Amino acid sequence: EVELVQSGGGLVQPGGSLKLSCIVSGLIFSDSSIHWVRQASGKGLEWVGRIRTRTNNYAIAYAPSVTGRFTISRDDSRNTAYLQMNSLKTEDTAIYYCASHDPFDFWGQGTLVTVSS
Amino acid sequence: DIVMTQSPDSLAVSLGGRATINCKSSQSVLYSSNNENYLAWYQQKAGQPPKLIILWASIRESGVPDRFSGSGSGTDFTLTINNLQAEDVAVYYCQQYYTTPLTFGGGTKVEIK
Repeated sequence: EVELVQSGGGLVQPGGSLKLSCIVSGLIFSDSSIHWVRQASGKGLEWVGRIRTRTNNYAIAYAPSVTGRFTISRDDSRNTAYLQMNSLKTEDTAIYYCASHDPFDFWGQGTLVTVSS
Repeated sequence: DIVMTQSPDSLAVSLGGRATINCKSSQSVLYSSNNENYLAWYQQKAGQPPKLIILWASIRESGVPDRFSGSGSGTDFTLTINNLQAEDVAVYYCQQYYTTPLTFGGGTKVEIK
């Protein structure tokens, strides 16, 4: 059974930082692109970014709204992907999901990030 | 960026009826070298992460009932749900994975009439 288990969400002040983790099991993590998607309360889905596999040179891409503030990484030895979020803004408040492959066939359970003073 | 426009925003369909959701992309998502449309549909039920139901515009994901079907090519796509069941109540999103930034449509809420 494939599982993507997320952790790391919480409450942070504007300008602060937070790091999310996504631990993957049940599939060959090193062969899997990992994406991050967010969803503000009552709103639609917004793609945040993705990291490809070693075969694809760990290529990373970001949405314009987070470029320069968010960093995606992965540790294939730990089957884990990360989303480092810096300079957080109130508009970054959302549930954040990790998802695998293209298109996204497996999803994490989501973790809530709240940016508020 | 490719803009994905879905219509309608919501629709109410009788049990056993048909739901039709449209999705239009601002540029083609058909990749000429393999003749594939990089278009997916997701179903999101309340309080759950999205679930992939259609990929490559018309291929049902494993385990998805055959009452769900996808069609279209280039810039215009349709998700059809035949014989609507109570468990199909959800928000449906189209998404292009042709190029980054990957983009989603705004979503269509399907309810029972």
